[in-house]
Amino acid sequence: GAVVSQHPSRVICKSGTSVKIECRSLDFQATTMFWYRQFPKQSLMLMATSNEGSKATYEQGVEKDKFLINHASLTLSTLTVTSAHPEDSSFYICSARRQYNEQFFGPGTRLTVL
Amino acid sequence: AQSVTQLGSHVSVSEGALVLLRCNYSSSVPPYLFWYVQYPNQGLQLLLKYTTGATLVKGINGFEAEFKKSETSFHLTKPSAHMSDAAEYFCAVSVTGGTSYGKLTFGQGTILTVHP
Repeated sequence: GAVVSQHPSRVICKSGTSVKIECRSLDFQATTMFWYRQFPKQSLMLMATSNEGSKATYEQGVEKDKFLINHASLTLSTLTVTSAHPEDSSFYICSARRQYNEQFFGPGTRLTVL
Repeated sequence: AQSVTQLGSHVSVSEGALVLLRCNYSSSVPPYLFWYVQYPNQGLQLLLKYTTGATLVKGINGFEAEFKKSETSFHLTKPSAHMSDAAEYFCAVSVTGGTSYGKLTFGQGTILTVHP
């Protein structure tokens, strides 16, 4: 149990386009999901907390209008990178919280912006 | 605010040797503590966690960690390393309440290399 999927696993796009990444909890309901960003050889940095049915809470320094988060159901959260630029290239990882502060992580999405 | 420091960005051991990955944390409230493992281009897998109760926590793949409040430490150990243990390991802390409830703060990560 406690499986989290992400789609796509890898995406390459042109500068200026928007990219949507999906995060799904497959076998449990998650009222809270988290989005992280990981640069090469670095740790995970929390970008935002996604709460089902309400607005996401963004960490300091994260642009809300650039990284749009929607948590429309208890099993799905989406992250849309709008007007992507090469500096947005990164590994994006989501997690879903089940209980006792326990988070289960998706496999990650590698975004490359040309 | 909480923080995590992992001592040693790289640790190298021989197969069969003891694995010790160090983690110290800072938290103003009682913490929950976690160790995750990440293989290349993959997400994170939970190895073990400390919430309350027994301070020696056993996890998957033969790993264990001990919560030492007096030392603010949560070091990860495994008696005998396997080649398959080679990966990056992250220590993380989460607070149990307040406005930051549920947020994980990660250490910098430690890359474990296992030599035959």
